[in-house]
This record gives sequence, C-alpha cells and structure tokens, in this order.
Amino acid sequence: DTGVSQNPRHKITKRGQNVTFRCDPISEHNRLYWYRQTLGQGPEFLTYFQNEAQLEKSRLLSDRFSAERPKGSFSTLEIQRTEQGDSAMYLCASSTQGWDQPQHFGDGTRLSIL
Amino acid sequence: SQQGEEDPQALSIQEGENATMNCSYKTSINNLQWYRQNSGRGLVHLILIRSNEREKHSGRLRVTLDTSKKSSSLLITASRAADTASYFCATDPSINQAGTALIFGKGTTLSVSS
Repeated sequence: DTGVSQNPRHKITKRGQNVTFRCDPISEHNRLYWYRQTLGQGPEFLTYFQNEAQLEKSRLLSDRFSAERPKGSFSTLEIQRTEQGDSAMYLCASSTQGWDQPQHFGDGTRLSIL
Repeated sequence: SQQGEEDPQALSIQEGENATMNCSYKTSINNLQWYRQNSGRGLVHLILIRSNEREKHSGRLRVTLDTSKKSSSLLITASRAADTASYFCATDPSINQAGTALIFGKGTTLSVSS
C-alpha cells in the first residue's frame, strides 16, 4: 500500500491559465474522490468516480472544471480559465466501494492564482 | 454546504490531558466518521460510528453518537504532542438532496503542548 499520490504538490499560475492535477489512488480502490479545501474549512466534495464512471458532481464543479478517470486507475482534474477564487488545496481520496468505507487521502495540490 | 459543525474551533491543552471535540449535524445520517489532518497534509481516517451505535473505542479514541441530538463527540485520552492537528467529522447523510457524498465540518484545531 503506497498510499494516494498527488502531483504536483504546489502549482502557481496566472489568472486565466489552465491547470491540470493528477491523482494516483491506492491500486485496489475502485472509488476516487476529489475535494477542495480552503483555509480554515473542511474539505468540500467536488466529484467522485467508481471505476471509470463519474457518478456524482457537486454544484461547486462549474463548467470550467473537468475530471477524468479514463481507465479506472489514475484521475486528472483540470481547471480552465482559472480565477482568483480557485486558489485552494485540491485533495484526492480513494476507497473501496461504499460510503461507510474509510477514505484514504493524498497530501493535496495547493493551487495559488496570481 | 457543510453539515457538520465542530466545537470548539480551537483547543489548547497540555500533554497528558484529555481532549474532547464535538460535532453537530443537521440531517439524519447513516454513519459519522472522524478524520485528522496534520498541517499541510491530507486527512487520515480515525474511526467510523454507525447510526445504530452509541459508542465506539479505538486505542486512545472514544467516539459517542447521539442521533436524537444530532451530535457526536471525539475524546482523545492522555494526549501527546503528536496529536496536534485539525480534527473533522464527516457525515454520510441518509437523506441528502445534494447527492450522496460525505459532508465534512469545519474542524477543531487541537494544540498539545509538552
């Protein structure tokens, strides 16, 4: 069990640029989740996959955000035309199937918009 | 939106003392989980308690759940400096018009000094 891996750890970009984050989950986990966390807040759910299927998207996930998990393994989260309000920590987690299963989190990608 | 509200927002204690954190939520739930987050890191699952359980133990952790009051508490006994972290409750709402995802609270920041 090598844990959930996220890359990059930090991303600094100018407003209006596109950014892409990657998440490698624990290999035997079929569920993968994306969260956004701002300072002093808990994680806010963005979307989740079961295998390669994206089963749920939060209202927070505007049309500038897109997530994929093409082969049911790693996942990418892309933000197009970044805005100041997108500055946050983006966390990925994985688990086996079921909302009663512990979610294993990566250390996140911290996005800063200049 | 965040369903869980932890109380207090911040807690400072000495090593060896007990730390108690509370979580209140709004809707009926299937289960409630507690997570820990060290600064700059991802969340780590601590314990899950189901809606039909009233108390659960894991090492120095004791969790209680009162579904009539829609509240839970996390007790850490004989605290150590290494327990310094933020603690979040996460609920799996049984009725969630926004979807089925876990909803995290804002967290309690615990500082344990030696």
